[in-house]
Amino acid sequence: GQQVMQIPQYQHVQEGEDFTTYCNSSTTLSNIQWYKQRPGGHPVFLIQLVKSGEVKKQKRLTFQFGEAKKNSSLHITATQTTDVGTYFCAGEGNNRLAFGKGNQVVVIP
Amino acid sequence: DVKVTQSSRYLVKRTGEKVFLECVQDMDHENMFWYRQDPGLGLRLIYFSYDVKMKEKGDIPEGYSVSREKKERFSLILESASTNQTSMYLCASSFRGIGNTIYFGEGSWLTVV
Repeated sequence: GQQVMQIPQYQHVQEGEDFTTYCNSSTTLSNIQWYKQRPGGHPVFLIQLVKSGEVKKQKRLTFQFGEAKKNSSLHITATQTTDVGTYFCAGEGNNRLAFGKGNQVVVIP
Repeated sequence: DVKVTQSSRYLVKRTGEKVFLECVQDMDHENMFWYRQDPGLGLRLIYFSYDVKMKEKGDIPEGYSVSREKKERFSLILESASTNQTSMYLCASSFRGIGNTIYFGEGSWLTVV
């Protein structure tokens, strides 16, 4: 079945630094979605990427969808304490949505 | 705002008990989902439903059943709770079709003792 892998699984990031989290699929995706879950909270939709090579920005967050539509990345610049949480990607293919295991991010003040 | 409401935030049940987790959404979404979240394992799909009275198994359906008698309501049933079902359960909903955002409820923390 369709699998979506996220790396790394855990990150400790110094406040003010940049970091990137990656999402890789074994199959070509029709789209990819990113969600953020704050500690103690529930996943909340961040963005969806549909087109090959698409890049979208939300303030300090940059999302990319690979040319082959099999991978994606989320890059955060100037990390803030509010960026703490788990970031999930979810890839859609064959009419099924598969979530990665998430990247848990801890921000060090 | 879309609202997905889970009936219980925290539950403690005994081994062997029948457990009902209820979920209601107010956006007229066709699709509804039940996920289980455990540390290091991410979100695992238990069951989903794309219409009233319709259901499909997800990745880990064993030990669970579901019911969708009304469009807005999707129930997860643990016929005989076991300690390995201690987890956080997330209900979610979305419109039918490709590329629709999934909206999650706040989660139900179930402890089976």
